Amino acid sequence: DVKVTQSSRYLVKRTGEKVFLECVQDMDHENMFWYRQDPGLGLRLIYFSYDVKMKEKGDIPEGYSVSREKKERFSLILESASTNQTSMYLCASSFLSGRETQYFGPGTRLLVL
Amino acid sequence: AQSVSQHNHHVILSEAASLELGCNYSYGGTVNLFWYVQYPGQHLQLLLKYFSGDPLVKGIKGFEAEFIKSKFSFNLRKPSVQWSDTAEYFCADLSGGGADGLTFGKGTHLIIQP
Repeated sequence: DVKVTQSSRYLVKRTGEKVFLECVQDMDHENMFWYRQDPGLGLRLIYFSYDVKMKEKGDIPEGYSVSREKKERFSLILESASTNQTSMYLCASSFLSGRETQYFGPGTRLLVL
Repeated sequence: AQSVSQHNHHVILSEAASLELGCNYSYGGTVNLFWYVQYPGQHLQLLLKYFSGDPLVKGIKGFEAEFIKSKFSFNLRKPSVQWSDTAEYFCADLSGGGADGLTFGKGTHLIIQP
């Protein structure tokens, strides 16, 4: 079974803090993705990566950055957390073709105070 | 801009009722459509996907979807729902959505009453 794990299920941070969200997949997938999920808005793509050290902006990259130093690990970074970044963050991975199924992690619920 | 529209945000049905959840997509090029489901407390998972061929595609757990090109629609259906189908359902489109990232609809929260 594909497993995508995220480092924390719940996080509480203060405005202005630097926040790291970690994601690890065990299926040797090339693609990894970060989405945020908000009630009534569905999921929105923040960033994705198709290879180590490669990254592409998604639909809402502002205020976020990412890092992919190893194939299995994809980190989302909030350089200076703000209250409007309070959300559920979902990581996903897939094989290289965009038509491949994306496998999602359990999510990290982030509260920024 | 790429968009996916789901018509119903909340649906309540009784067990054994038939289900149809609407989805419309805006992109007119290559078709890459998905339905994902999120059961309470569980990961988002794929129900079915469609790229080409027979416009009626079958997925897991008895779900199916019909692609109608002329209507830009990809509606999800199930003939007889069960209490365990209570979940949030998301339609998604790959085409043009940040290269290989998905563009999701806002979701439909389905509640099945026993």
